[in-house]
Amino acid sequence: GESVGLHLPTLSVQEGDNSIINCAYSNSASDYFIWYKQESGKGPQFIIDIRSNMDKRQGQRVTVLLNKTVKHLSLQIAATQPGDSAVYFCAETPYGNNRLAFGKGNQVVVIP
Amino acid sequence: EPEVTQTPSHQVTQMGQEVILRCVPISNHLYFYWYRQILGQKVEFLVSFYNNEISEKSEIFDDQFSVERPDGSNFTLKIRSTKLEDSAMYFCASSEGPDWGNQPQHFGDGTRLSIL
Repeated sequence: GESVGLHLPTLSVQEGDNSIINCAYSNSASDYFIWYKQESGKGPQFIIDIRSNMDKRQGQRVTVLLNKTVKHLSLQIAATQPGDSAVYFCAETPYGNNRLAFGKGNQVVVIP
Repeated sequence: EPEVTQTPSHQVTQMGQEVILRCVPISNHLYFYWYRQILGQKVEFLVSFYNNEISEKSEIFDDQFSVERPDGSNFTLKIRSTKLEDSAMYFCASSEGPDWGNQPQHFGDGTRLSIL
């Protein structure tokens, strides 16, 4: 079946460096993509979203890039801080659908 | 900042018993959702709810599951006769509109359901 998945299980990054988290999706009908951050014992926290008519969107210290040609999504975190340590999920949904399909998650560990 | 709240944070129930998980969505949101996350696995969609009815449900959401919005603020998930495999973290979420309306889903911190 079609699914959303992450390339790397764990990313260790030095504090102050930039982080890049990747996500591959296979559902060509996907229209809307979201990145969530999940800290231990908490629910997924919305970070940033992007629609399929865009290829880049920026937030505070975060940038999401979407490459529809290769069905690839990435999250860039600038100047990574200890508070960025968490599991990051990408999620997607097709147009007209409100069911989010989540990837498995990618652990980011920030080294002080 | 408004947030989705869930109670209880942890529920322990005997197999075969009924359980009700409670959620208070963000007040101006119109769409409500339940997801679950079995330990070590992906977050999985269960059901979405709008205008007092289910708008979509997954294959997980069988006849043992039901949802209700009993008043203007609460949104509940009931599992009628729990099974061991229902043990998971259950997340409630809400959004102003469906995702195709460019409105993200905001999640609560979950209820950990443990079936003995």
